Amino acid sequence: NAGVMQNPRHLVRRRGQEARLRCSPMKGHSHVYWYRQLPEEGLKFMVYLQKENIIDESGMPKERFSAEFPKEGPSILRIQQVVRGDSAAYFCASSPILAHSYNEQFFGPGTRLTVL
Amino acid sequence: DQQVKQNSPSLSVQEGRISILNCDYTNSMFDYFLWYKKYPAEGPTFLISISSIKDKNEDGRFTVFLNKSAKHLSLHIVPSQPGDSAVYFCAALPNAGGTSYGKLTFGQGTILTVHP
Repeated sequence: NAGVMQNPRHLVRRRGQEARLRCSPMKGHSHVYWYRQLPEEGLKFMVYLQKENIIDESGMPKERFSAEFPKEGPSILRIQQVVRGDSAAYFCASSPILAHSYNEQFFGPGTRLTVL
Repeated sequence: DQQVKQNSPSLSVQEGRISILNCDYTNSMFDYFLWYKKYPAEGPTFLISISSIKDKNEDGRFTVFLNKSAKHLSLHIVPSQPGDSAVYFCAALPNAGGTSYGKLTFGQGTILTVHP
């Protein structure tokens, strides 16, 4: 049973370009969470999605960031017109059901975005 | 607004001794607490958790203690091993029924180094 997969693992973009980060949850998981880790900081919640629904996007910046989890295919985190401050590690996690308890969120290896 | 705090950025311990990692929180809505371990270039992996109805949970070499009145938890690793060297994150979940279910709030992390 493959774990949570994220690609690309490393992404380099120039200021003003778009970044698209993909997350394939574990098989059977229908809930996806995106977290961002800035240098020297902990992970910060961005968005929680179920298939075709955004449940909680309270951690998403209001502009330039969007997320989707279509009926088919991976979840996508899109950052438009990237700036240097977007450089961070972006982690995706998935869970089979509502993840309120212990270890039900399984994390992917992350995508490291570098904005030049 | 740092709701979960790990005030020690790093900890160095001799192999075989006890490692104690500390975490404080401010939000009284948190009722489930987790510890994650993270190696460089990997995603966090779940280690151990504790519900607010308990004050201790043990799993092998790992024990988590919760002091609700002080809003403080700690992770004890005994005996410490060189393979335990990693970044340790404390995280918290709010109680069920709220709109933020599933939304992990992380501390900044503590780098543990266990010397042979």
